[in-house]
Amino acid sequence: GAVVSQHPSWVICKSGTSVKIECRSLDFQATTMFWYRQFPKQSLMLMATSNEGSKATYEQGVEKDKFLINHASLTLSTLTVTSAHPEDSSFYICSASRPGQDGEQFFGPGTRLTVL
Amino acid sequence: AQSVSQHNHHVILSEAASLELGCNYSYGGTVNLFWYVQYPGQHLQLLLKYFSGDPLVKGIKGFEAEFIKSKFSFNLRKPSVQWSDTAEYFCAVNVFRGKLIFGQGTELSVKP
Repeated sequence: GAVVSQHPSWVICKSGTSVKIECRSLDFQATTMFWYRQFPKQSLMLMATSNEGSKATYEQGVEKDKFLINHASLTLSTLTVTSAHPEDSSFYICSASRPGQDGEQFFGPGTRLTVL
Repeated sequence: AQSVSQHNHHVILSEAASLELGCNYSYGGTVNLFWYVQYPGQHLQLLLKYFSGDPLVKGIKGFEAEFIKSKFSFNLRKPSVQWSDTAEYFCAVNVFRGKLIFGQGTELSVKP
């Protein structure tokens, strides 16, 4: 149990366009979902925390108007990178947590975004 | 601010060698501690976790970690590594509202 999926697994887009990434918890209801960004050979940087039905909480330095997060249901959160630029190219990873699991997060496989 | 520090950036071992990866965190309150592994091309997987109780935690694939509260440490160990243990290892701490703070990661390369 506790499987998290992401779609797409990779995407290439032109500079200036917007890209939506989906994160789904397949076999459990996720009270909270998290979005991370990972640069090559580096650690995960938390971008934002989202709870179903409420606004996401963004980490310091993350532009909320650029990285739009929607958590419409207990099994789906989306991250939209608006007006993407080459510097937004990265590996985006989502995770989800279940109630009462003491903070354990279950991670998706990640989405590789390349902006040309 | 809370932080997690992993002392080794890249560790290279031969098969059957013993492994210890250091992890220290800075937070004075109650913490939940995790070690995650990321195999090449794969997503993060949980190796083990500590919430409370016995400070020596056993995880999957023969890994274990010891929580030493006085040293703010949660070091990962394995008595005998295999080539298949080649991966990136991340220590993480959960302190508030479910947020995980990750260490920088340690790349482990095991030579056959």
